[in-house]
Amino acid sequence: TQLLEQSPQFLSIQEGENLTVYCNSSSVFSSLQWYRQEPGEGPVLLVTVVTGGEVKKLKRLTFQFGDARKDSSLHITAAQTGDTGLYLCAGVASGTYKYIFGTGTRLKVLA
Amino acid sequence: DAGVIQSPRHEVTEMGQEVTLRCKPISGHNSLFWYRQTMMRGLELLIYFNNNVPIDDSGMPEDRFSAKMPNASFSTLKIQPSEPRDSAVYFCASSFNSDEQYFGPGTRLTVT
Repeated sequence: TQLLEQSPQFLSIQEGENLTVYCNSSSVFSSLQWYRQEPGEGPVLLVTVVTGGEVKKLKRLTFQFGDARKDSSLHITAAQTGDTGLYLCAGVASGTYKYIFGTGTRLKVLA
Repeated sequence: DAGVIQSPRHEVTEMGQEVTLRCKPISGHNSLFWYRQTMMRGLELLIYFNNNVPIDDSGMPEDRFSAKMPNASFSTLKIQPSEPRDSAVYFCASSFNSDEQYFGPGTRLTVT
């Protein structure tokens, strides 16, 4: 069974701080996605990474796919209260359609 | 586009009752996914349709759960009979050729 472990599970920080969230697996994925989910809503796609070692930036968010395509990280610079939410990673293995979702990191940014 | 539409947004029912959740995918999308989200188990895939055909229902918990997609613009997830352990948020997501998924707002189901 493919598992995606995310760490930390919970994170509470002050506005302006930096943070990194990790997504780890023993399985290789052909692509990996990061989502943010706010209370009462469905997950919203932030980014898709497909190449080992790939780095993508989305404003203050930096996403990296591990060289072996087994892990990924999300780094937020100068966090804002609007970054508060549940961050989910999801990976899909080669030749399949099925996304395996991570356990999630619940981020709270305090003003 | 209005995005993925789900109804109802909230459902409270008694154990043993039938529950039907509805989903309208984004127009033009040919893949549809039903997920269940709980604090304990996170987001789990229940069933996947491609071009209205169920491709993988291995995530459906048991025979009490069934899903249909009679046409490209509508899908239902039915639980009969419902049990308290079915309480969760159920999401529908659609995509084109199983690419990037777009999620609906979810249906929060409470079975008492």
